[in-house]
Amino acid sequence: AQSVTQLGSHVSVSEGALVLLRCNYSSSVPPYLFWYVQYPNQGLQLLLKYTTGATLVKGINGFEAEFKKSETSFHLTKPSAHMSDAAEYFCAVSDFSGNTPLVFGKGTRLSVIA
Amino acid sequence: EAQVTQNPRYLITVTGKKLTVTCSQNMNHEYMSWYRQDPGLGLRQIYYSMNVEVTDKGDVPEGYKVSRKEKRNFPLILESPSPNQTSLYFCATKRLTSGSHNEQFFGPGTRLTVL
Repeated sequence: AQSVTQLGSHVSVSEGALVLLRCNYSSSVPPYLFWYVQYPNQGLQLLLKYTTGATLVKGINGFEAEFKKSETSFHLTKPSAHMSDAAEYFCAVSDFSGNTPLVFGKGTRLSVIA
Repeated sequence: EAQVTQNPRYLITVTGKKLTVTCSQNMNHEYMSWYRQDPGLGLRQIYYSMNVEVTDKGDVPEGYKVSRKEKRNFPLILESPSPNQTSLYFCATKRLTSGSHNEQFFGPGTRLTVL
């Protein structure tokens, strides 16, 4: 069985500061890992994904994440937070077959302070 | 334009009154899924479908039914809604490609309140 743990249900950063949202996963098979973003009153939108190959993955809006197998982590970062980044972020895991359901973490709400 | 539509977007109902939330997609995706989102619990999968007439239970299927008679539609049925089914519901779809995990596209959500 696969699972995802997101550390911190709420993270607050100042505008221009580094954003770091933590995600650890558990999987008995090689994982596929994802970050989704949910803006207020909207559905989820894919930010980035890791399947195979390069462990540093770049996504939309300046976000990136690094797959670290030894640490079973897939933390999301952005060098400089913008007010428009305020949203809820979900980490998710699936297996390499691509056909199993996504397992989501509980989400981290990011607030950006002016 | 590629779209996943859900109806209704908002619904307030009473315990025991059957309801259906519709989901429709125009991307010819094989895979469709229903999630519920609750504060502090993230998204939990209710049911999913790999193709027409093929459905499977997710993590929280109790109290829900689905059907997949057509590729584009995947309605969620609550035969006898209860207050613990008050939640935000999302439909999602994706193309199935062997050995690859394609992006899931999410609908805008349906906020259901059961009194």
